[in-house]
Amino acid sequence: KNQVEQSPQSLIILEGKNCTLQCNYTVSPFSNLRWYKQDTGRGPVSLTIMTFSENTKSNGRYTATLDADTKQSSLHITASQLSDSASYICVVSARGGTALIFGKGTTLSVSS
Amino acid sequence: GAVVSQHPSRVICKSGTSVKIECRSLDFQATTMFWYRQFPKQSLMLMATSNEGSKATYEQGVEKDKFLINHASLTLSTLTVTSAHPEDSSFYICSASDGPLAQHFGDGTRLSIL
Repeated sequence: KNQVEQSPQSLIILEGKNCTLQCNYTVSPFSNLRWYKQDTGRGPVSLTIMTFSENTKSNGRYTATLDADTKQSSLHITASQLSDSASYICVVSARGGTALIFGKGTTLSVSS
Repeated sequence: GAVVSQHPSRVICKSGTSVKIECRSLDFQATTMFWYRQFPKQSLMLMATSNEGSKATYEQGVEKDKFLINHASLTLSTLTVTSAHPEDSSFYICSASDGPLAQHFGDGTRLSIL
């Protein structure tokens, strides 16, 4: 069964600190992995998209990594800001399909 | 670029009424649009996939007569929740795609049925 598991479920950090969110998946055959940021009451916004051949991609203070062999990805946030408080969702797409398989997300709270 | 507008953002209505939600791609043509439902602290659940000019494909367990989807043009898809009941209260999100890696999300519609 195609699944995407994220950890931790929630995380609280102080402003300015770094953090890393984890994503494990069992989707096969793999096509691509995306990280989205979803603010409360808003739609998801794409942060990064990685295909099989990519193992890292950055978008400002966000850096995603992908290990297609172990089927793991991480999202590293550097120098967190209050505006980073949101749900971060890992999404995997299977090759040949358009459907996205969503993780439940990690809720990040950045406090001052 | 790649802006998806969803309207309304919030709707509150009485049980038994029908509610229409619009999803528009503002600056691109969307060959495929998707409708999702999200319950609190849960992941997005795909309800249906629609391609312009053809019937929508519904996910297992989603009643097609309850959730009517129309994708009449390359920039507009609508979801109508017919005879809505309190259990239909949820956050509905659309997305639009203009390519295999692209899926751009709207800001969602919070539906509350009294």
